[in-house]
Amino acid sequence: DAKTTQPNSMESNEEEPVHLPCNHSTISGTDYIHWYRQLPSQGPEYVIHGLTSNVNNRMASLAIAEDRKSSTLILHRATLRDAAVYYCILNYGGATNKLIFGTGTLLAVQP
Amino acid sequence: NAGVMQNPRHLVRRRGQEARLRCSPMKGHSHVYWYRQLPEEGLKFMVYLQKENIIDESGMPKERFSAEFPKEGPSILRIQQVVRGDSAAYFCASSPPGLAGTDTQYFGPGTRLTVL
Repeated sequence: DAKTTQPNSMESNEEEPVHLPCNHSTISGTDYIHWYRQLPSQGPEYVIHGLTSNVNNRMASLAIAEDRKSSTLILHRATLRDAAVYYCILNYGGATNKLIFGTGTLLAVQP
Repeated sequence: NAGVMQNPRHLVRRRGQEARLRCSPMKGHSHVYWYRQLPEEGLKFMVYLQKENIIDESGMPKERFSAEFPKEGPSILRIQQVVRGDSAAYFCASSPPGLAGTDTQYFGPGTRLTVL
């Protein structure tokens, strides 16, 4: 399974943008880049996913490098509710769709 | 449109007892996954099921753990003769049939198992 590398923790101020990086230098051509987050004491929550092009949805934006070896999750205006562990996961699907969670980035949002 | 439902939310068992965790996927979803999160650790995949079939059980411990997803009713994760090391949060997720690699998994709130 292709591996991802994320910073252990990041801090942000409320109402400011947050850029969460992820390196995946061994990504293969069929790997989709997925982001999930886990708020304290809750189950993981899907955030966004993409293959090659940048993606936007109501929660966030995903910027994918041209060589696909890295990506950045962008929260445009952080709120206190965005404090969570963010996981960058490569999913090629295949016969199984299992998600391999790494350690993720713990995002702290200061008021 | 109800999300993934898990029950019970909290379960306390004594060593040697059996634990049964239930998961009802979202409406229209035929794929179910179970993950375990040990205290202070990350989420680990356990098993992936479709209706009446186990597709991937590579993350399941070899003994005492079993899972099923019958034609009717919820998916069940069963742990026999629980030990203290089984204490963890168990999350179920479901997804609709779709293109490989693109399926979004929707997670339930989890069952927190405590073994005394």
